[in-house]
Amino acid sequence: DAKTTQPPSMDCAEGRAANLPCNHSTISGNEYVYWYRQIHSQGPQYIIHGLKNNETNEMASLIITEDRKSSTLILPHATLRDTAVYYCIVRVPPYTGANSKLTFGKGITLSVRP
Amino acid sequence: DTAVSQTPKYLVTQMGNDKSIKCEQNLGHDTMYWYKQDSKKFLKIMFSYNNKELIINETVPNRFSPKSPDKAHLNLHINSLELGDSAVYFCASSLNNSPLHFGNGTRLTVT
Repeated sequence: DAKTTQPPSMDCAEGRAANLPCNHSTISGNEYVYWYRQIHSQGPQYIIHGLKNNETNEMASLIITEDRKSSTLILPHATLRDTAVYYCIVRVPPYTGANSKLTFGKGITLSVRP
Repeated sequence: DTAVSQTPKYLVTQMGNDKSIKCEQNLGHDTMYWYKQDSKKFLKIMFSYNNKELIINETVPNRFSPKSPDKAHLNLHINSLELGDSAVYFCASSLNNSPLHFGNGTRLTVT
């Protein structure tokens, strides 16, 4: 799986959009970009994933650049409960056998301030 | 509720003891995992089972023995506990290309 790099931390004000960057310059054509987050004292939680097109669900939006070398996770209206470590992970399907695992990096710590 | 559930949530024990952590998922997934998160917060895969068969074993000491009685359960037994085993252990499950679902962890403290 391609490596990802994320800044160690960032903060944003409650109610504002949080834009979390991820660099994956060595991504290959069939690798998907996944985002998970880990709120303190909880297990990691899936947020969203995408291949080329921008994606949106009830939690967040994922913007992937045209060259796919980077992406941004957008939390449109951050709340205090969004304070967590966010992990950007790239994976190539099929996710079976030895390829089924997720490999976590250090992630980015998002602090939402009141 | 559909979920991945682990027991116990907290486990405090002395060096040299043997302990088990249990994990159950009712999501109908066929692959289950154990991850370890150490004091530096790194999450590392330990084991993975698919339909009761060991798929991944990431050079974990053989004091750690996973057991999968059926595809809904993956238990972790640890023999001769050491101080360095203190960590949070997360169970997870998945099905085919679905995202992994994680439990809320078991915090193991070895004194």
